[in-house]
Amino acid sequence: QVQLQESGPGLVKPSQTLSLTCTVSGGSISSASHYWSWIRQHPGKGLEWIGNIYHSGSAYHNPSLKSRLSISVDTSKNQFSLKLRSVTAADTAVYYCARSRVEGAVNAFDIWGQGTMVPVSS
Amino acid sequence: DIQMTQSPSSLSASVGDRVTITCRASQNINNDLNWYQQKPGKSPKLLLYSASNLQSGVPSRFGGSGSGTDFTLAISSLQPEDFATYFCQQSYSSPYTFGQGTKLEIK
Repeated sequence: QVQLQESGPGLVKPSQTLSLTCTVSGGSISSASHYWSWIRQHPGKGLEWIGNIYHSGSAYHNPSLKSRLSISVDTSKNQFSLKLRSVTAADTAVYYCARSRVEGAVNAFDIWGQGTMVPVSS
Repeated sequence: DIQMTQSPSSLSASVGDRVTITCRASQNINNDLNWYQQKPGKSPKLLLYSASNLQSGVPSRFGGSGSGTDFTLAISSLQPEDFATYFCQQSYSSPYTFGQGTKLEIK
């Protein structure tokens, strides 16, 4: 079955760029039926949708992060990526990648990665 | 952004109890409401989508209802593995927003 796995540095310094990659296995990121999202969870808090991307490269960003955010897809590697610029301690969170459907249960996140904790600290 | 408000924030119950969790949207979201379960240190798991549709593999003791702005998650007979935190999420419009969570604890 489809699995998602986040990867990236364990620590980011303030003002630097947070970069994460999600690798899709057991299925194709080029599926016409799915969007691919990034979601984060601040320690002990709720969930925040960051943005998503379709295999064509069309991306949608949360306006609260839009000025610092880019999401890209590499279909040859079956991966999609997140870059968040000029990070502060407020960006410290567990970052998840997740899949949602284009039709039916649209934008219900049915498969999640295990999550990766990214502290922002000097 | 659409605000999602869950109540209660925490809830104590016993194995075998029936519990309900409510979720209110700040505007009409039709039935574009999903429910997730999260256990400590784990990623969220989709339980129900479109307010009342059970995700494949989820036990039938979980049920959902509602439309418009008011929604309910019900667990008919609590099992030990159900003690977790539950989140609602609206998929009506971007940015997709979540409730703050309801922590279900053992009494």
